[in-house]
Amino acid sequence: DAKTTQPTSMDCAEGRAANLPCNHSTISGNEYVYWYRQIHSQGPQYIIHGLKNNETNEMASLIITEDRKSSTLILPHATLRDTAVYYCIVSPGSGNTGKLIFGQGTTLQVKP
Amino acid sequence: DTEVTQTPKHLVMGMTNKKSLKCEQHMGHRAMYWYKQKAKKPPELMFVYSYEKLSINESVPSRFSPECPNSSLLNLHLHALQPEDSALYLCASSQDQRKNYGYTFGSGTRLTVV
Repeated sequence: DAKTTQPTSMDCAEGRAANLPCNHSTISGNEYVYWYRQIHSQGPQYIIHGLKNNETNEMASLIITEDRKSSTLILPHATLRDTAVYYCIVSPGSGNTGKLIFGQGTTLQVKP
Repeated sequence: DTEVTQTPKHLVMGMTNKKSLKCEQHMGHRAMYWYKQKAKKPPELMFVYSYEKLSINESVPSRFSPECPNSSLLNLHLHALQPEDSALYLCASSQDQRKNYGYTFGSGTRLTVV
């Protein structure tokens, strides 16, 4: 599986957009980008995923570069409840072996 | 029901004890997972069940024994654990093993081995 590189930690002011980057320079053509987050003392929560097009849902937007070597998760109006560890994961779509493997993630601290 | 329920929430056990962790979901998901998470580390995959059959064992020691009695239940039987096995054990489910999106995780069982 391709590996990802994320900053260890980031801060964001409440009400502002939080932009979380992820590098995945060795991503293969059939691999998707998935984002999960883990709020303290809870299990991880699925946020969004994409292959090559930008995606948006009620939680966030995912921007994938044209060469697919990096992506950015955008939380448009961060709140204190968005303070969490955010995991960027790349893994095959079709033919997937069923392994969702977490990297180190980015700790996002949203400040008042 | 859109939750994965794990019991107990906390467990303290001695190294000679036998205990079980339980996980339940009623979303009709056909894939279920066990993860182990040490403090300040990401979750590590242990086992994957697909349609009630063990699909993946990530070389987990035999003192951890998974069981999937039916499509809604997943157990993890523990025997002769070591203090280094103390961790948060997370259960998850998904619609299908082949899809990496939409996993639903439980809140975990915090296990302490003394």
